Amino acid sequence: DQQVKQNSPSLSVQEGRISILNCDYTNSMFDYFLWYKKYPAEGPTFLISISSIKDKNEDGRFTVFLNKSAKHLSLHIVPSQPGDSAVYFCASMEYGNKLVFGAGTILRVKS
Amino acid sequence: DAGVTQSPTHLIKTRGQQVTLRCSPKSGHDTVSWYQQALGQGPQFIFQYYEEEERQRGNFPDRFSGHQFPNYSSELNVNALLLGDSALYLCASSFGPDVDYGYTFGSGTRLTVV
Repeated sequence: DQQVKQNSPSLSVQEGRISILNCDYTNSMFDYFLWYKKYPAEGPTFLISISSIKDKNEDGRFTVFLNKSAKHLSLHIVPSQPGDSAVYFCASMEYGNKLVFGAGTILRVKS
Repeated sequence: DAGVTQSPTHLIKTRGQQVTLRCSPKSGHDTVSWYQQALGQGPQFIFQYYEEEERQRGNFPDRFSGHQFPNYSSELNVNALLLGDSALYLCASSFGPDVDYGYTFGSGTRLTVV
């Protein structure tokens, strides 16, 4: 089984600066990871993904880095905007396309 | 284009009762997955339905059951409710049982068991 850990419950960043959200996992057999963003009273929204054939994937202001030897991935948001304030979940895809989520990190971007 | 629709949005039930939650997938999607999100935790996979069959199940007791209808909509049933069943229940739909094709979540049903 896979375990996904997001050890920082919250992060506060100034507008325009970089936000770095971290995620660790336990089982290297599963090699596809996703980040979701969740606003209050809404469902999670897919943000960006990465598979183990890559070390990095970019989409606009969002970049995900994967360090397979450390079983660690991170999401970078540059520049951070107040609208980025939300809960960010890291997820790993297991067999049968079941997603295993971390507990989430609350990002607050201050203007 | 309607996304994933869940009903009701909020629900209060008493311990021991039964509850049914409903989900209509996004147009064009045929696979429905259900997740439970307890307070302060990430969503946990309950099960997935494709072609009206349960394809994959998470670590949830048999009190949790589901159904998928020919129009791809789905129901989640929970029997003998416990206080610990209080959570946000999320439905996600996709085209085929493959996240790569787009996994869209609904806004969820907030269940409170008293």
